[in-house]
Amino acid sequence: SQKIEQNSEALNIQEGKTATLTCNYTNYSPAYLQWYRQDPGRGPVFLLLIRENEKEKRKERLKVTFDTTLKQSLFHITASQPADSATYLCALLSGGYNKLIFGAGTRLAVHP
Amino acid sequence: SQTIHQWPATLVQPVGSPLSLECTVEGTSNPNLYWYRQAAGRGLQLLFYSVGIGQISSEVPQNLSASRPQDRQFILSSKKLLLSDSGFYLCAWSGLAETQYFGPGTRLLVL
Repeated sequence: SQKIEQNSEALNIQEGKTATLTCNYTNYSPAYLQWYRQDPGRGPVFLLLIRENEKEKRKERLKVTFDTTLKQSLFHITASQPADSATYLCALLSGGYNKLIFGAGTRLAVHP
Repeated sequence: SQTIHQWPATLVQPVGSPLSLECTVEGTSNPNLYWYRQAAGRGLQLLFYSVGIGQISSEVPQNLSASRPQDRQFILSSKKLLLSDSGFYLCAWSGLAETQYFGPGTRLLVL
């Protein structure tokens, strides 16, 4: 079965730097991959979707890459701000009906 | 615009008691609906999904059940709660696009 690995250790960075989070999966390459943000005690919020035929996707300060050879996605936040502090979840399409399988997430802490 | 509601926000229940969590969606028709559970520090585990009224698919065997009595209503139930049922329960919906939109969640503590 498909497994998703995200760095379980928190990522601590200084404000203004670029944060890079990693998502690795083990089996088949999905048709698309998504990134969500989750704040403590809240539901996840969709950020970006990247399809298997896309190498890179950008949205404001966010950038996602998708390497189906390495079975890896990288999520970048440039010019990070303390307000970017949250847990970021990677999710892959898993079967029909838009079912997703989620990684455990990586907690990002941006320090002033 | 679409909104998704869950209630209650927090629930403390004794072991062996019944459970009913409700999720409703506004502003869309015939959504796919999903129930997830998130244990502390863990990822989201898909419990059930539904593609239409009365249509429920279970992803993992467990002590819970789900029902969809109306197009935009999704209910998670249990007849007898276990300690292991504690967690953060999230409802989500998706439409034609692949994105899932999550509700605010219900934190359940079974004592």
